[in-house]
Amino acid sequence: GAVVSQHPSRVICKSGTSVKIECRSLDFQATTMFWYRQFPKQSLMLMATSNEGSKATYEQGVEKDKFLINHASLTLSTLTVTSAHPEDSSFYICSARGLAGDLNTGELFFGEGSRLTVL
Amino acid sequence: AQSVAQPEDQVNVAEGNPLTVKCTYSVSGNPYLFWYVQYPNRGLQFLLKYITGDNLVKGSYGFEAEFNKSQTSFHLKKPSALVSDSALYFCAVRGVAPSKIIFGSGTRLSIRP
Repeated sequence: GAVVSQHPSRVICKSGTSVKIECRSLDFQATTMFWYRQFPKQSLMLMATSNEGSKATYEQGVEKDKFLINHASLTLSTLTVTSAHPEDSSFYICSARGLAGDLNTGELFFGEGSRLTVL
Repeated sequence: AQSVAQPEDQVNVAEGNPLTVKCTYSVSGNPYLFWYVQYPNRGLQFLLKYITGDNLVKGSYGFEAEFNKSQTSFHLKKPSALVSDSALYFCAVRGVAPSKIIFGSGTRLSIRP
């Protein structure tokens, strides 16, 4: 099956700093990547949809300037949490969809997630 | 609008017994349904999907799900539970736009030895 790698798995930072999380598709080209946020004991909240070479589409209520998403290549998307605050502490998960096969069915391949703790 | 509901926050089952994790859906058009599993501090893993065809779908780790159009349900099942099945399970449906997947609230499955 397709593999999506997410890095770092855990990050602790000070309030006011910026943190970058990478999401890579290792054995396929991902035309579309998705970024989710998950609070403890809750479901996944879609933050934004990232298409290679174009601007990300953010869900309602998600601050574009706070959560910068870049999808510079078919195998890499990055999420940068700018000027992080304690309330940004969460589990961030990326997922990817390939060029073909699952394009119509919607099946996604997920990264392992990144736990961000802002002190 | 597309949506899924998982009515149970938690399901507790003894090892070796059959398990069912419930999911109901509401969609316009043909439903594309999925089950994913999440282990602690990990991403989601795909278990199975229903697109069309047989109502009983077989997936990974011995899980299966039954699509019931009249009841708009897509319950996840396994004939004999294992302790290692303990995890968080998400039902999901493809959104109106193919790019979106909408997740249910999740059901925590706990298998006791």
